[in-house]
Order: sequence, then structure tokens, then C-alpha cells
Amino acid sequence: QKEVEQDPGPLSVPEGAIVSLNCTYSNSAFQYFMWYRQYSRKGPELLMYTYSSGNKEDGRFTAQVDKSSKYISLFIRDSQPSDSATYLCAMSATNTDKLIFGTGTRLQVFP
Amino acid sequence: DAGITQSPRYKITETGRQVTLMCHQTWSHSYMFWYRQDLGHGLRLIYYSAAADITDKGEVPDGYVVSRSKTENFPLTLESATRSQTSVYFCASSESTGPGANVLTFGAGSRLTVL
Repeated sequence: QKEVEQDPGPLSVPEGAIVSLNCTYSNSAFQYFMWYRQYSRKGPELLMYTYSSGNKEDGRFTAQVDKSSKYISLFIRDSQPSDSATYLCAMSATNTDKLIFGTGTRLQVFP
Repeated sequence: DAGITQSPRYKITETGRQVTLMCHQTWSHSYMFWYRQDLGHGLRLIYYSAAADITDKGEVPDGYVVSRSKTENFPLTLESATRSQTSVYFCASSESTGPGANVLTFGAGSRLTVL
């Protein structure tokens, strides 16, 4: 079993939909959680960064961490075609540990 | 240009040849990393470096060699390329301390095909 599990998709939604992307993990020591967005033929770029549990909002994006369930989510409100990309979750136990990445979920938002 | 630059962006080579992928960063970040990205496997760490002249193995180091004589450069060499090394390679860097120490900034990637 992988330390971090992520559904590969693809997830196809119409423009304006609310999107929910998720990762589960097995290591209860993880405290730092990130979401990276990767456009086709580009490198991943940091989208959201959270520490420990709770929610963090940034514009149309909300990152949620549920440590009791070992489950993290990324919500995208009012999704746009420009949100079409692969979304990777990443996490670590401390801020000096190497990040463990999920395999990524490919999202397609159609007009 | 500021940031992290990888070259070449695309490379086709033959089995058994030596290939070097270059990575250059302008932030003076202490840490640098090499990942490969393959369908179904996601990002896998090949090697990383905490500072000049300090390197360490990641999850999949076999068949690769790295060096770091200068802080800003971190080349990755495939000494004798194999077809299983066909992949997209990403270089990344991060600060060594502070709240953002584990946040990686990635290059645009080098797409390598081994025939």
C-alpha cells in the first residue's frame, strides 16, 4: 500500500461546477499538506499549503485537512476551463522531511 | 532569468549512451532535487542535495549519478541509458530553513526518450 493514495481520474466537469479532489494517507505523523497544480508539459506549481488540521481558503480554492480520518481535500468553486490540469497532493511529517506525493488527479473542465 | 531552468527540454537518445540533464537555479536555495514522473507512479525522488558537495539517494537512484560542485547547479547523469529511464525529469529546489523549507519549486521538466 502506498503512503499516499490519490484517484488518478480523469475527472471531467462542466464550467461552474464545484470540484472535490482528495487524497488519503497512512502515516499519522504527517502534518504539512500541500496541493500542487501541474499544467500539461509544465512543472508542478504550489497551489495550497496547510499545516496540521483545518481549512484554508484562497480565492476559489479551499484546502481541507482531516487528520483523524487521514484525508485531505481540495475544493474548487466556480471551476473554469483554465483549471484543467493535474492536481498532486504532497505531505510530510516535518518541514525538513522529503515530501511524499500522490500520483495526481487529472481534471478537465469543459465550457 | 530568475528561477529554475532545466536543459534540454527534450532529448532522444539510444540505449547505452550517456546523457546529462542540467538544472540551474538563481535563488541560492540550499536544497535541490531530481524527480522522475511516470504514469501510475507519480513523482519519484531520484537524488537530492542539501548543499554543494552534499548529495544523497532518493527512492529510485539506480542508474543515475549526480554532482553539485556549485550551489546553483545540480546535473543529473544517466551513465548508460536504458529504455526504463524514458520519463519526464523534474528538478526542484527549496530553502533549507523556515516555514517554507519543504515547499518545492519545480523546473519545467526534461522529457527524455531512450530508444
